[in-house]
Amino acid sequence: DAMVIQNPRYQVTQFGKPVTLSCSQTLNHNVMYWYQQKSSQAPKLLFHYYDKDFNNEADTPDNFQSRRPNTSFCFLDIRSPGLGDAAMYLCATRTTSGRSTDTQYFGPGTRLTVL
Amino acid sequence: DQQVKQNSPSLSVQEGRISILNCDYTNSMFDYFLWYKKYPAEGPTFLISISSIKDKNEDGRFTVFLNKSAKHLSLHIVPSQPGDSAVYFCAASYIQGAQKLVFGQGTRLTINP
Repeated sequence: DAMVIQNPRYQVTQFGKPVTLSCSQTLNHNVMYWYQQKSSQAPKLLFHYYDKDFNNEADTPDNFQSRRPNTSFCFLDIRSPGLGDAAMYLCATRTTSGRSTDTQYFGPGTRLTVL
Repeated sequence: DQQVKQNSPSLSVQEGRISILNCDYTNSMFDYFLWYKKYPAEGPTFLISISSIKDKNEDGRFTVFLNKSAKHLSLHIVPSQPGDSAVYFCAASYIQGAQKLVFGQGTRLTINP
């Protein structure tokens, strides 16, 4: 009964080689978020989708892109990964209707290693 | 510039005692605060929240206290149980809008039998 699924759980890529991380949800939530968490640091919001509207954080590097082809799926594309992009990437969802509007549901994360 | 800080990277508490986790924030415009709990190999899970119109919110063994003048919040767990051993993240946001969470670095809580 997994609700927010992230694939793969571990991803290894080479310096400069594009990589895509995937997030899917069975909750039918309209808001989806991507966070980056580097070792021993706080998770940091990269961007979010409010329905189909994409909202980028001001300090998110251009190297990071996202796609949301439908309600259930959201992708994080890193065009040219650098060593500094090695991190845990967390996907989260939230609904803006109903009773649980204050809760973001997180996936287990994808740990990205850049060689 | 870290807007949400958890100054204790780790905390060790004996089973049955009270655990107190602390969090400070700098942005006085934040009006909604949350605690998340994270086990290894899992994503953070929502624990408890508080809006700035309150100074206390309780849910079973968990109580969050908010001191707006000090820009400080704390999470009390009583009594502490071994299953409470996890990393706890404090987060701040605005009650209106997209709920863009600003997290602290986390505190690793270990409950000793």
